[in-house]
Amino acid sequence: DAGVTQSPTHLIKTRGQQVTLRCSPKSGHDTVSWYQQALGQGPQFIFQYYEEEERQRGNFPDRFSGHQFPNYSSELNVNALLLGDSALYLCASSWAGPSGGLQETQYFGPGTRLLVL
Amino acid sequence: EDQVTQSPEALRLQEGESSSLNCSYTVSGLRGLFWYRQDPGKGPEFLFTLYSAGEEKEKERLKATLTKKESFLHITAPKPEDSATYLCAVQASGTYKYIFGTGTRLKVLA
Repeated sequence: DAGVTQSPTHLIKTRGQQVTLRCSPKSGHDTVSWYQQALGQGPQFIFQYYEEEERQRGNFPDRFSGHQFPNYSSELNVNALLLGDSALYLCASSWAGPSGGLQETQYFGPGTRLLVL
Repeated sequence: EDQVTQSPEALRLQEGESSSLNCSYTVSGLRGLFWYRQDPGKGPEFLFTLYSAGEEKEKERLKATLTKKESFLHITAPKPEDSATYLCAVQASGTYKYIFGTGTRLKVLA
């Protein structure tokens, strides 16, 4: 049973560029959340996608956008990259289940390490 | 404001020396508390989910407990391979996001 997968594993960009990160959820999961983790910090919630809609968003600017496809996979797009966007980007998947996602465990992928120069 | 605080920030143990990690939280209605293990440069690995005060979960050398204000992760007779950062997260009522603490970096010496 494949877990959560993310691509690419590493990425180097320059300021002002745009980047797209990809995530495939664990088998049987229908919900994808994205987190940003700076070095030495805990993950910070960016947004969550369910039924191809963004249903909750954290305190991130509009430069961060996403998409969920009918097969539940997801993309995170970041425009106009800043040096401060350098971080580990984590995708987590879960199954909405009977609680509608309000009590379901999120399982994380290996992350994409983004370096902005 | 919902908040999670973990202590200590770092912990060094000798192999076999048991200890506990603390996660205190302030949240408007707890839906769930989650423990993860994270190795350097990798994604968090799920350990436990706790839903209500008094609940306990165990897995090998790890045991997680929950009260109304905090959770403990007890490590019994740790081994060097238990060295990692342990993250605690909470999910508040009516929200889908997890709020994470900054983690406890555990180093177990042989």
